[in-house]
Amino acid sequence: SQTIHQWPATLVQPVGSPLSLECTVEGTSNPNLYWYRQAAGRGLQLLFYSVGIGQISSEVPQNLSASRPQDRQFILSSKKLLLSDSGFYLCAWRYGRLFGELFFGEGSRLTVL
Amino acid sequence: TQLLEQSPQFLSIQEGENLTVYCNSSSVFSSLQWYRQEPGEGPVLLVTVVTGGEVKKLKRLTFQFGDARKDSSLHITAAQPGDTGLYLCAGASSGGSNYKLTFGKGTLLTVNP
Repeated sequence: SQTIHQWPATLVQPVGSPLSLECTVEGTSNPNLYWYRQAAGRGLQLLFYSVGIGQISSEVPQNLSASRPQDRQFILSSKKLLLSDSGFYLCAWRYGRLFGELFFGEGSRLTVL
Repeated sequence: TQLLEQSPQFLSIQEGENLTVYCNSSSVFSSLQWYRQEPGEGPVLLVTVVTGGEVKKLKRLTFQFGDARKDSSLHITAAQPGDTGLYLCAGASSGGSNYKLTFGKGTLLTVNP
């Protein structure tokens, strides 16, 4: 069966510090991978998605970047965090086919102080 | 940019009542999904609708996809406290790449015992 894990679960960082959130998927190959951010328990904003190794599409210009160094690994990074980067970050994967379901990780709660 | 508007944003009802939440867009989607999310967790898929006019039932939940594939509704009959959560609709882009899912801002449902 397929599983998805992301870490850390909770992170408190000062403004200006770097960030690295990791996400790995097991049990499938060549998944589509996604990073979403959710503010205040509401809608999900798509940040990045990837359809293959090294292929990253950015949806919103911002202080964050993403990388996919391996087929089932997706990393969200920042060199210098801003207060506005606080939120609940969700990694997800999906089969590369029509109408596929998104499978989400447990989420990472980031607080920037 | 395709937008999904969900209404109402918040809904608080008593156990046993019926309710309907809506998901509307000016854009056509190739498919639409409904997710339910509990606090501190990732969303979980409830249903995917693909054909205009399609109706799907999942126990006490009834999902409908509009004829023009621009809108959808979720009806819950005899709501129970276990139905409490954030309900999110998500549309897959119509035409071209189907990789992106656009989420609405969600309806936060509270069912009081």
